[in-house]
Amino acid sequence: QKEVEQDPGPLSVPEGAIVSLNCTYSNSAFQYFMWYRQYSRKGPELLMYTYSSGNKEDGRFTAQVDKSSKYISLFIRDSQPSDSATYLCATFSNFGNEKLTFGTGTRLTIIP
Amino acid sequence: NAGVMQNPRHLVRRRGQEARLRCSPMKGHSHVYWYRQLPEEGLKFMVYLQKENIIDESGMPKERFSAEFPKEGPSILRIQQVVRGDSAAYFCASSPLKGLNTEAFFGQGTRLTVV
Repeated sequence: QKEVEQDPGPLSVPEGAIVSLNCTYSNSAFQYFMWYRQYSRKGPELLMYTYSSGNKEDGRFTAQVDKSSKYISLFIRDSQPSDSATYLCATFSNFGNEKLTFGTGTRLTIIP
Repeated sequence: NAGVMQNPRHLVRRRGQEARLRCSPMKGHSHVYWYRQLPEEGLKFMVYLQKENIIDESGMPKERFSAEFPKEGPSILRIQQVVRGDSAAYFCASSPLKGLNTEAFFGQGTRLTVV
């Protein structure tokens, strides 16, 4: 079993829709949960991260973590064609742990 | 402030040749991480280095792969006697402090193709 599972998609939604991207993880030691956006042929860029359980909002993006069910989500409101990319979830246990553990990524396309 | 610089962006090698991938961290960053991304897979941790030290190489294949981060110059990921299965995108990330993954920035990657 992979430590972080993510549906690879692809996922296509019309412009303006709400997008929900999800990951599950198996290691209870994970405490930091991150979402990266990766455009084609580019490096990952950090969108936002959350510590432990709870929600975090940044503009049109909301990250949610439910540690009881080991479930992490990213919501994108009012989706735009420029949001079309691969979204990667990643986790690590604490500062000082060097390894990010990534999901496989979900390829998202926003249809104008 | 330039970001993490990786070169070359694309590298083609024949089977059996050596591949050298370079990573210059962001200014002020002394911690470098290398990840490999195979097609349809997420990024997999390979190695974590500080200047002149390998801190964690638990993700590195046991043979043919090595990494260094000298006192001066970029970090180098070296793959000897490349095979087709080494074809992948290799990304490095740098951060200012040990394990500060929330402040780590990724480069644009080197896409290695073995023919």
